[in-house]
Amino acid sequence: DAKTTQPPSMDCAEGRAANLPCNHSTISGNEYVYWYRQIHSQGPQYIIHGLKNNETNEMASLIITEDRKSSTLILPHATLRDTAVYYCIVPNAGGTSYGKLTFGQGTILTVHP
Amino acid sequence: NAGVTQTPKFRVLKTGQSMTLLCAQDMNHEYMYWYRQDPGMGLRLIHYSVGEGTTAKGEVPDGYNVSRLKKQNFLLGLESAAPSQTSVYFCASTAISPSAGGVEQFFGPGTRLTVL
Repeated sequence: DAKTTQPPSMDCAEGRAANLPCNHSTISGNEYVYWYRQIHSQGPQYIIHGLKNNETNEMASLIITEDRKSSTLILPHATLRDTAVYYCIVPNAGGTSYGKLTFGQGTILTVHP
Repeated sequence: NAGVTQTPKFRVLKTGQSMTLLCAQDMNHEYMYWYRQDPGMGLRLIHYSVGEGTTAKGEVPDGYNVSRLKKQNFLLGLESAAPSQTSVYFCASTAISPSAGGVEQFFGPGTRLTVL
């Protein structure tokens, strides 16, 4: 998997937007950027993924820079339930490693009242 | 639709004992995975399967064996448990969709294993 770099922790006030950055400067042209989160003691949960265009779903928005070397996950109106570890992952595309995810340390997002 | 389920949820073993963790999915997914997560760490891949009857080693396979006799089930075995295998074990599955980069994995709730 392409290596990703995330800040170890971030804080956000409830109701405000949470912007979580990720650097993935070694990403290849056909590799997607995926975001997962893990709420305490639960299994990871898929949030969103993208290739080069910005993406939005009911949970979040994903902004990918034009050179694809970094991205930002945006939670538009953070709630206390969004407190979790957020993982930015760039899985290998194709070959026998296809589909495997490598989880780094992620970013611990704490949403304050 | 139960998604991905894991059995048991909790287990305490003594060193040297054996056990099998069961993962089941009802989404007809081809790919299944076993991960372990130690305190304060990210998930690490133990073994994975790309289809019924096939298995492959992941990042940390030593001390574990797996079997995928049925498409919906993926078993993780510990033949002789060691304290270093105390961890939370997560199973996941996915239906690979190459056109979408297809690694949206669905995770189970985890099995918390303690080896004394």
